[in-house]
Amino acid sequence: KAGVTQTPRYLIKTRGQQVTLSCSPISGHRSVSWYQQTPGQGLQFLFEYFSETQRNKGNFPGRFSGRQFSNSRSEMNVSTLELGDSALYLCASSLYPGGRQEQYFGPGTRLTVT
Amino acid sequence: ILNVEQSPQSLHVQEGDSTNFTCSFPSSNFYALHWYRWETAKSPEALFVMTLNGDEKKKGRISATLNTKEGYSYLYIKGSQPEDSATYLCAFHSGGGADGLTFGKGTHLIIQP
Repeated sequence: KAGVTQTPRYLIKTRGQQVTLSCSPISGHRSVSWYQQTPGQGLQFLFEYFSETQRNKGNFPGRFSGRQFSNSRSEMNVSTLELGDSALYLCASSLYPGGRQEQYFGPGTRLTVT
Repeated sequence: ILNVEQSPQSLHVQEGDSTNFTCSFPSSNFYALHWYRWETAKSPEALFVMTLNGDEKKKGRISATLNTKEGYSYLYIKGSQPEDSATYLCAFHSGGGADGLTFGKGTHLIIQP
């Protein structure tokens, strides 16, 4: 069974630009969560989607948004990029939402903002 | 803001030795505790999801225990091997309308041959 895939793997953007990252979950998984990983903060929860609906959102500004499509693929968008948005963005899929499902992580997208 | 603490931050262990490390989390509103292994240049890999006080789970040489009343979980590795070198992350979920998983900053384990 194919794992979670994320595209692109690496991205360099300039301050003020916007970016869209994509995540394709494991086939049959309907829940997708997004995380930001920075050296100082560790892994931080961004949002969780299930059946095209955002279930939860972490403590991030409104510049961070996402969506999920009917095939469970998800995208996240960051507008008006700031230097501090440079991070590894991971998505994870699970069969169902909520906190008791094992999450399967993708390889991540490394975003650098200059 | 939920606080999930892991200790130690890093650990050097001789090959063949056994080791353990700790995850501390809020003892109220417990719903689930996850353990993940994150090897360099790979994706985090799920080890265990624990939901009941007193849970003990095992996968090969790795096992974990859970105490929800006092808010801690231990991860044990028996007979460490070089391939066990990784960062081990725990993550807490308080259920309901919780803000997803709250991760600790991890224990970085290095196995020395």
